[in-house]
Amino acid sequence: AQKVTQAQTEISVVEKEDVTLDCVYETRDTTYYLFWYKQPPSGELVFLIRRNSFDEQNEISGRYSWNFQKSTSSFNFTITASQVVDSAVYFCALPISSGSARQLTFGSGTQLTVLP
Amino acid sequence: GAVVSQHPSRVICKSGTSVKIECRSLDFQATTMFWYRQFPKQSLMLMATSNEGSKATYEQGVEKDKFLINHASLTLSTLTVTSAHPEDSSFYICSASRPGGVGYTFGSGTRLTVV
Repeated sequence: AQKVTQAQTEISVVEKEDVTLDCVYETRDTTYYLFWYKQPPSGELVFLIRRNSFDEQNEISGRYSWNFQKSTSSFNFTITASQVVDSAVYFCALPISSGSARQLTFGSGTQLTVLP
Repeated sequence: GAVVSQHPSRVICKSGTSVKIECRSLDFQATTMFWYRQFPKQSLMLMATSNEGSKATYEQGVEKDKFLINHASLTLSTLTVTSAHPEDSSFYICSASRPGGVGYTFGSGTRLTVV
């Protein structure tokens, strides 16, 4: 099976707290990419990161960081010092092959609410 | 950067009418376009995949005669919801992939309400 699991449906934190969003994936590909997207209430998808399975180094971008662990098939996302503007639904996604195309399959998403 | 323009952003239509949603790639050629549907508080679910100049491939459970997809050029793909019903009310979003690329460019989405 090829799928993405985001076990946390909703998370609520108070501003300035750190929060980690979990993502576990299954794939039969030996090399693959993983994505994280943010979907604010307006609905558009905001690209956050694309990660190649070759590279297991953790990545940091400002208050965002990602922990990729191939051994546990996880690609977790941490927001440090959360802000109200971080409130959104966050999706982890994995490209899967279907014929000649590779479409993104999304996890169920995690609704993050950051309270002031 | 790559941009996909999706229109309209919101549409309200009467039950039984048809609605067309357009996605245009503005600065690249989109050989493949993916169409997703998202119901409230749910994830994005792939409806169909279209390749320029050929018939779309629909996911299981998606009615191809109801959701007509046309990908007649490398810069334009359209989704027409025919004979819309209230249960078709949803958020529809397109995504284009570029040849040889491993990125996906999403449109801004269309919120369809059928009354």
